[in-house]
Amino acid sequence: EAQVTQNPRYLITVTGKKLTVTCSQNMNHEYMSWYRQDPGLGLRQIYYSMNVEVTDKGDVPEGYKVSRKEKRNFPLILESPSPNQTSLYFCASSLSPQGMDTQYFGPGTRLTVL
Amino acid sequence: RKEVEQDPGPFNVPEGATVAFNCTYSNSASQSFFWYRQDCRKEPKLLMSVYSSGNEDGRFTAQLNRASQYISLLIRDSKLSDSATYLCVVFTGGGNKLTFGTGTQLKVEL
Repeated sequence: EAQVTQNPRYLITVTGKKLTVTCSQNMNHEYMSWYRQDPGLGLRQIYYSMNVEVTDKGDVPEGYKVSRKEKRNFPLILESPSPNQTSLYFCASSLSPQGMDTQYFGPGTRLTVL
Repeated sequence: RKEVEQDPGPFNVPEGATVAFNCTYSNSASQSFFWYRQDCRKEPKLLMSVYSSGNEDGRFTAQLNRASQYISLLIRDSKLSDSATYLCVVFTGGGNKLTFGTGTQLKVEL
């Protein structure tokens, strides 16, 4: 089954404790992105990647890091999480550049930073 | 002004009704337009792309008005299963940017 998976789905952590949210897709897509969704603000792009070892900042990259060492994986790293990073996070992938093709989203990761 | 604006709703309509949502965008250079559907904090899923000539998929019709910079979504014969939040999405090639609206909530009632 074609899908985007994220882990963990739910996470409660404390300020400053490094964490990684994994994202994996099995569709051989070149393009992958991370978004956060907050009430009243909609989905905002954090980072995107056009291919292995090629990443670029989105609208809200501060406090986040990403890496793309393999085509299928695009982990999101919070080196020192803070309460304002409490949010619902979605990973997405697409075959073509993001404006030309369907974005396939993972199920989401609900993160709470205390 | 927000780059993509939608009326948050909720739109409460009876089953069988026709309902329309609009979405306005601020960047006249925007190139591609989409409607996504999101159920109760689950992942968004593509409902349909929006083409310049307008397009229809079953009970759903999407239209683009470049002069006035808005797109619309019309749902005919609403079903209970149409209850969801509908996200307007706009792509601007110059900045390689995909911008999501905050969504319009639809509730279809018996």
